Amino acid sequence: GDSVTQMEGPVTLSEEAFLTINCTYTATGYPSLFWYVQYPGEGLQLLLKATKADDKGSNKGFEATYRKETTSFHLEKGSVQVSDSAVYFCALILNTGGFKTIFGAGTRLFVKA
Amino acid sequence: GAGVSQTPSNKVTEKGKYVELRCDPISGHTALYWYRQSLGQGPEFLIYFQGTGAADDSGLPNDRFFAVRPEGSVSTLKIQRTERGDSAVYLCASSSESGVGANVLTFGAGSRLTVL
Repeated sequence: GDSVTQMEGPVTLSEEAFLTINCTYTATGYPSLFWYVQYPGEGLQLLLKATKADDKGSNKGFEATYRKETTSFHLEKGSVQVSDSAVYFCALILNTGGFKTIFGAGTRLFVKA
Repeated sequence: GAGVSQTPSNKVTEKGKYVELRCDPISGHTALYWYRQSLGQGPEFLIYFQGTGAADDSGLPNDRFFAVRPEGSVSTLKIQRTERGDSAVYLCASSSESGVGANVLTFGAGSRLTVL
């Protein structure tokens, strides 16, 4: 079935370090891909998305490129801040007839000052 | 409303009791979703409504779980004969069906259910 696999956390980085959180997917159709973020004490919210192969989603300094050949959507940021500490979820929704968004297990990021 | 509102934010109940969780989506969002999130896990799909009808209820774990959306706005998730394994955060989300926001979920803060 359709699924999302992301790297296990927690990931602990110092401020201004480079961040990569890996995400790969399995889908029977052609999905749209998302990164959602959950800050401490807050609800899940969209961080960025990409709807077709080779699209790059970006927001708040974060980027992810939809790679169909490797079925991946890795999240990157060049210089993390303490305020980026949160849980990050990779997700997909099928563009053809699917109604449900499928989430990965989440990766917790801690950024130290 | 301005955001997705869920009540109660916390519910503690005893095994075997009946529970209702309410979701008030963003005004104008026709799609409404219920998810369940256990500690350290991602949201697990339960059910999706398009308008008043359940378009996909394949994620409901068993017949103790039921959800309604009678007027195409507010939804209620109902759990009968609760079990300790039902303890989780129940998330509601809504989305528009078209335009830039299509398929982008806006989540509520969740209802934390604890079954003793």
